Amino acid sequence: EAQVTQNPRYLITVTGKKLTVTCSQNMNHEYMSWYRQDPGLGLRQIYYSMNVEVTDKGDVPEGYKVSRKEKRNFPLILESPSPNQTSLYFCASSLSQRNQPQHFGDGTRLSIL
Amino acid sequence: AQSVTQLDSHVSVSEGTPVLLRCNYSSSYSPSLFWYVQHPNKGLQLLLKYTSAATLVKGINGFEAEFKKSETSFHLTKPSAHMSDAAEYFCVVSGASGGSYIPTFGRGTSLIVHP
Repeated sequence: EAQVTQNPRYLITVTGKKLTVTCSQNMNHEYMSWYRQDPGLGLRQIYYSMNVEVTDKGDVPEGYKVSRKEKRNFPLILESPSPNQTSLYFCASSLSQRNQPQHFGDGTRLSIL
Repeated sequence: AQSVTQLDSHVSVSEGTPVLLRCNYSSSYSPSLFWYVQHPNKGLQLLLKYTSAATLVKGINGFEAEFKKSETSFHLTKPSAHMSDAAEYFCVVSGASGGSYIPTFGRGTSLIVHP
């Protein structure tokens, strides 16, 4: 089954404690991206990657890091999480960036205390 | 620059009546447009997409949308609402900008379906 898998689905942690949210896709997609969803704001793109070792900033990259060492994986790293990063996070992938529909994971709800 | 405006934050309908979710966009280039649906505790699922072919686009679950360039609109419709249609709906515009195609999401419309 084609899917994007995120882990963990839920996480409660404290300010400053480094965390990583993993994302994996099994569709051999080149393009992957991370979004955060906040009430009334829709989804905002954090980072995206057009292929292995190619990443770029989206609209709200501050406080986040990503890496793309393998085509299927695109982890999101919060080196020093803060309460304003409490949000619902989605990973997505598509064949390419250009006008392709994206496949989304089921989301990761992060709470930073 | 591109933007997308979903004109209603909430739409409430009775089961069996038509659904209209409104979306206006702006884009410097010929954009692609998408509608996604999000059910509770789930990721977004593609309903339909417009990519400069036919202006009337049919999607899954009986939804369709019409691209109107003169009105810069891409409204989502369904003739008869079902209880299972209750969800959050997002309109998305994606066009070329500086060599990349970063999508812009609307803020979402919550569809409420009454029995």
